[in-house]
Amino acid sequence: EDQVTQSPEALRLQEGESSSLNCSYTVSGLRGLFWYRQDPGKGPEFLFTLYSAGEEKEKERLKATLTKKESFLHITAPKPEDSATYLCAVQAPASSASKIIFGSGTRLSIRP
Amino acid sequence: DTGVSQNPRHKITKRGQNVTFRCDPISEHNRLYWYRQTLGQGPEFLTYFQNEAQLEKSRLLSDRFSAERPKGSFSTLEIQRTEQGDSAMYLCASSSQVATEAFFGQGTRLTVV
Repeated sequence: EDQVTQSPEALRLQEGESSSLNCSYTVSGLRGLFWYRQDPGKGPEFLFTLYSAGEEKEKERLKATLTKKESFLHITAPKPEDSATYLCAVQAPASSASKIIFGSGTRLSIRP
Repeated sequence: DTGVSQNPRHKITKRGQNVTFRCDPISEHNRLYWYRQTLGQGPEFLTYFQNEAQLEKSRLLSDRFSAERPKGSFSTLEIQRTEQGDSAMYLCASSSQVATEAFFGQGTRLTVV
């Protein structure tokens, strides 16, 4: 069964303290891996799509990387406004033509 | 068109009542998804449309839930005989083709009292 596991569940950092969030996945044929940001009470906001191992994408202080079994979201010198829940999701052909499966997310808190 | 639109944003209903939510996807997107999210969890897949065809439904979707997408444009999600366990955020998303990102609306927060 296709599965996405994110760690840690919660992460508290000091402003400027860089770190990484992990997303491990088990799918039979990855079509795409997605990262989203979600603020409380709002819908997920799209950040990145990664398609193949070795691929990297960057946006401001965030960089996403992909291997055959996991993805990392690196956050460099974070600011308080980066505080949010970060969701990882995968799309795989075996599960359906288009179903996207989400992990439970990592709640990131950045202290000033 | 600035994104996926969901209405209402909030709905409080009594147990046993029926509720209906609406989703207007991004205009050129032919794929539409419904998800449910409870506190501290990631979005849980409910159902998926390609144009007007409902191609997949989650095994978790009971007979009380039904979704439609007439004419392949907006979609509605109806919950009949609501239960307290139905309280959650209901999210709609749309995408233009397989293996590209889905864009989400702001969700409808349902509270069943």
